[in-house]
Amino acid sequence: KAGVTQTPRYLIKTRGQQVTLSCSPISGHRSVSWYQQTPGQGLQFLFEYFSETQRNKGNFPGRFSGRQFSNSRSEMNVSTLELGDSALYLCASSPRERSETQYFGPGTRLLVL
Amino acid sequence: GENVEQHPSTLSVQEGDSAVIKCTYSDSASNYFPWYKQELGKRPQLIIDIRSNVGEKKDQRIAVTLNKTAKHFSLHITETQPEDSAVYFCAASKASYDKVIFGPGTSLSVIP
Repeated sequence: KAGVTQTPRYLIKTRGQQVTLSCSPISGHRSVSWYQQTPGQGLQFLFEYFSETQRNKGNFPGRFSGRQFSNSRSEMNVSTLELGDSALYLCASSPRERSETQYFGPGTRLLVL
Repeated sequence: GENVEQHPSTLSVQEGDSAVIKCTYSDSASNYFPWYKQELGKRPQLIIDIRSNVGEKKDQRIAVTLNKTAKHFSLHITETQPEDSAVYFCAASKASYDKVIFGPGTSLSVIP
């Protein structure tokens, strides 16, 4: 099976703009989680989607949102970008309902200028 | 909510020596503890996991131990090799439908 894919891989935006990132999970996987990775902060949980419903949410402001489509593909959106949003955004898919073994995508590196 | 701490943040060992990374969690309801390895410029990958009904699990040179009473778990790597150099993340989660919370990571360097 093909692995988790994310597009775009790299993105440069300016403060105040918005951005949409896309994640395609492994075929048959129904759970998609999103993480923000920054140096020294590790993997910060953003949210998780399962069957088009947000099941869990981390401690990020409302500028961060997401959704999942019927084919399990997921998108996350960040509005009114801030310099501190510069990070690697990783998505991970899980085969079953339980968010246990996660398979990560390559990530989207976002730079906000 | 769940909080996962991880120590040390950096670890340097000589090739062939053992490496130990320790994590503590706050939520006693957590019952699943995976470890992920992230090599430079690559995505995190699961290397081993343990559930709360097991005290220890081994996979070749890698082992994980769990102490539910103390709420801590550890990763042990024996006979380290240069290719073990990476950032290692521990994580914890509860039963179904719960999010996975990661520790801040340990950067392991194996010196040839």
